[in-house]
Amino acid sequence: EDQVTQSPEALRLQEGESSSLNCSYTVSGLRGLFWYRQDPGKGPEFLFTLYSAGEEKEKERLKATLTKKESFLHITAPKPEDSATYLCAVQQETSGSRLTFGEGTQLTVNP
Amino acid sequence: NAGVMQNPRHLVRRRGQEARLRCSPMKGHSHVYWYRQLPEEGLKFMVYLQKENIIDESGMPKERFSAEFPKEGPSILRIQQVVRGDSAAYFCASSSTGWEQFFGPGTRLTVL
Repeated sequence: EDQVTQSPEALRLQEGESSSLNCSYTVSGLRGLFWYRQDPGKGPEFLFTLYSAGEEKEKERLKATLTKKESFLHITAPKPEDSATYLCAVQQETSGSRLTFGEGTQLTVNP
Repeated sequence: NAGVMQNPRHLVRRRGQEARLRCSPMKGHSHVYWYRQLPEEGLKFMVYLQKENIIDESGMPKERFSAEFPKEGPSILRIQQVVRGDSAAYFCASSSTGWEQFFGPGTRLTVL
């Protein structure tokens, strides 16, 4: 059974204080790993897709990386507007395109 | 280009009533997915549909829940005889390729 574990559950940062969020996964045959951002009361917003170990993608202050066992979402010099819950999800090769999500990391950036 | 649309945004039902949730995918997207987010829990896959076909319903409860995506019109998630445990946020996502999925704003269902 696919498993996705995110850590930490919650993270408080000061504005400008860089950090990383972790997503560990257990899946037989990774088709893709996805990062989403979710604000309270809203639907998940797509951020990145990573397909193979060693791949990296960047968007503004966010950078996602992938190894064979985990993915990191690095946040450089965060701002208060980066506060949200960040979700990691995987697709398995043999289970079609359904996503298996982790529980998320709730990030708070204080001014 | 409008995003995924869901309605209603909030739905209140009494126990035993039926709930109908609607999802209009992004233009050009033929893949539709439904997920449920229970209070204090993560998103869980329910069902995957393409036009007129259910592709994967492995996450759908066996009773009371059904989904369709007709040739014309939105996808519908139907919950019959709702119970308090059905109270949750229901999210629809769509995709043009079956890879990246784009989510709607969700329907918050409250069962009294």
